[in-house]
Amino acid sequence: DAKTTQPTSMDCAEGRAANLPCNHSTISGNEYVYWYRQIHSQGPQYIIHGLKNNETNEMASLIITEDRKSSTLILPHATLRDTAVYYCIAARMNSGYSTLTFGKGTMLLVSP
Amino acid sequence: DAGVIQSPRHEVTEMGQEVTLRCKPISGHNSLFWYRQTMMRGLELLIYFNNNVPIDDSGMPEDRFSAKMPNASFSTLKIQPSEPRDSAVYFCASSWGDGTYSGANVLTFGAGSRLTVL
Repeated sequence: DAKTTQPTSMDCAEGRAANLPCNHSTISGNEYVYWYRQIHSQGPQYIIHGLKNNETNEMASLIITEDRKSSTLILPHATLRDTAVYYCIAARMNSGYSTLTFGKGTMLLVSP
Repeated sequence: DAGVIQSPRHEVTEMGQEVTLRCKPISGHNSLFWYRQTMMRGLELLIYFNNNVPIDDSGMPEDRFSAKMPNASFSTLKIQPSEPRDSAVYFCASSWGDGTYSGANVLTFGAGSRLTVL
């Protein structure tokens, strides 16, 4: 199971880009990197995932280094509603199937 | 799409009582997951079903916990007897895929069931 390391907390000013880092130096070649977030008192919400290439969707961009040992989630224009815990997960393969193991994540606080 | 529907949203019970949590996954999804979240342990995967069959129940804490998925549109998580340490938020999530592909872990979570055992 590829362990991920994230900062405990980060701050971001409203309207600015939020760049959330994640280290996954032991990731295997077939393990995708996923980002989820959890707003207070809600269930986790899928944001984006990728394997090797950078990915972008309506919520965020995911930048994965060429050696795949780290990645960065970018929220281009953070709003107060983006305040949440952000989880970076390397989806493990176990006995032929894949599940998600959530760590402690990064608490992102977006301030006015 | 109503999303993943869980009930009850809140449950308060006394130690020793039976608790049943319910989940209706998104129509068309064939994978279902039960997670538990506490401050101390974070989000833990309890059990994973694919096509109504339990694939991985290694996260189920002990025999007091049981989960069933009688059909594609309904699952239950039962705790009998309940204990105070079972107090947590229980999330159900669903997705499409057979689980053999690491890139198919796009889960949709429900709002959770907050369980308090006194």
